Amino acid sequence: GESVGLHLPTLSVQEGDNSIINCAYSNSASDYFIWYKQESGKGPQFIIDIRSNMDKRQGQRVTVLLNKTVKHLSLQIAATQPGDSAVYFCAENSGGSNYKLTFGKGTLLTVNP
Amino acid sequence: KAGVTQTPRYLIKTRGQQVTLSCSPISGHRSVSWYQQTPGQGLQFLFEYFSETQRNKGNFPGRFSGRQFSNSRSEMNVSTLELGDSALYLCASSLPLTSGSTDTQYFGPGTRLTVL
Repeated sequence: GESVGLHLPTLSVQEGDNSIINCAYSNSASDYFIWYKQESGKGPQFIIDIRSNMDKRQGQRVTVLLNKTVKHLSLQIAATQPGDSAVYFCAENSGGSNYKLTFGKGTLLTVNP
Repeated sequence: KAGVTQTPRYLIKTRGQQVTLSCSPISGHRSVSWYQQTPGQGLQFLFEYFSETQRNKGNFPGRFSGRQFSNSRSEMNVSTLELGDSALYLCASSLPLTSGSTDTQYFGPGTRLTVL
């Protein structure tokens, strides 16, 4: 039969705008969270990570926010560029190991020039 | 420093056959994890190897197996292939958490397996 793909949330922004990608994680025991970017035909690329003893971490043009109360993670991208267009995944170590990650279904970010 | 490499990049097999995929981690990395990515199920963890031992395992049938060699290179094998095994198989390597190290997983480009 025909396979049903995951319905990917999508976010479309204008070049130069800020982007916010959200993720609800599943396991309240998770204590390590990562954001990955995947471009078409490539493997996931590490963007930024955060541990549960923090609620905010900043990188170059990116910020990750963690709200453990509502099990929510967000990725903020400042001054979004066309090269940021990709699928973004959040991941958590819900299996208790940082080497066994559980991934969200991803968000497709499209940046319009 | 070279990234994670996976071979082959593309593979076509028929149902019932078996397949072996290879992964070379980043130099110095000792942990290798494997994931399956499909449109229907997304990214799912298969297993993780460290120092030639399987440390973590996902919820996949026994047809999926792997191993790691003394140089940290890893292979995964899928026996008796089914149509549903068509997927992108991703390998990720990391440096186990020791003093001054990080456990960030870095992914390779994947092997695209098509089962006919």
